[in-house]
Amino acid sequence: DVKVTQSSRYLVKRTGEKVFLECVQDMDHENMFWYRQDPGLGLRLIYFSYDVKMKEKGDIPEGYSVSREKKERFSLILESASTNQTSMYLCASKFPDSETGELFFGEGSRLTVL
Amino acid sequence: GQNIDQPTEMTATEGAIVQINCTYQTSGFNGLFWYQQHAGEAPTFLSYNVLDGLEEKGRFSSFLSRSKGYSYLLLKELQMKDSASYLCAVMDSNYQLIWGAGTKLIIKP
Repeated sequence: DVKVTQSSRYLVKRTGEKVFLECVQDMDHENMFWYRQDPGLGLRLIYFSYDVKMKEKGDIPEGYSVSREKKERFSLILESASTNQTSMYLCASKFPDSETGELFFGEGSRLTVL
Repeated sequence: GQNIDQPTEMTATEGAIVQINCTYQTSGFNGLFWYQQHAGEAPTFLSYNVLDGLEEKGRFSSFLSRSKGYSYLLLKELQMKDSASYLCAVMDSNYQLIWGAGTKLIIKP
């Protein structure tokens, strides 16, 4: 069974703290993505990666960075958390040549910044 | 700008049929997706349409009209477990996904 695992389901951090969100997939997918999901808005792409060591900015990269040192792991970093980064963060992965382009999602990391 | 519109919330009765609409305006089109997301869980893939017409998969069907920028997801024989949010997404000319805000479907007994 395919699996995308996000390290923390719930986190509470203080303004200014550094936050790491980890995502691991066991499907040997090249492509990995970080989204945030907020009420009333569609999923918004923060960063994505097409291969190890590669990263591309999505629609809302400000305040975030990523790391892809290994194919199976894609980390999202908030260098200095702010209250407007309180959100649900979803990691996803897929094969680049997938016929349907199906994304496989993790269960999400709900971050609260106080 | 790019835009995906779908109703915020819908209510339907167990055993009935419901149609969730999605209209889109995007720069280019490379396919439309429907995902299901139960509260507190990961979105899961339901369907992919790239050509006009109806794709049927069990109790769920998805329809696409590219000329009208329109899709719908049809759920038949509704079950309580179908209570979830349904997300519509379009892949644009750059192969990036544009997401709608989702439709929360409430099933009543």
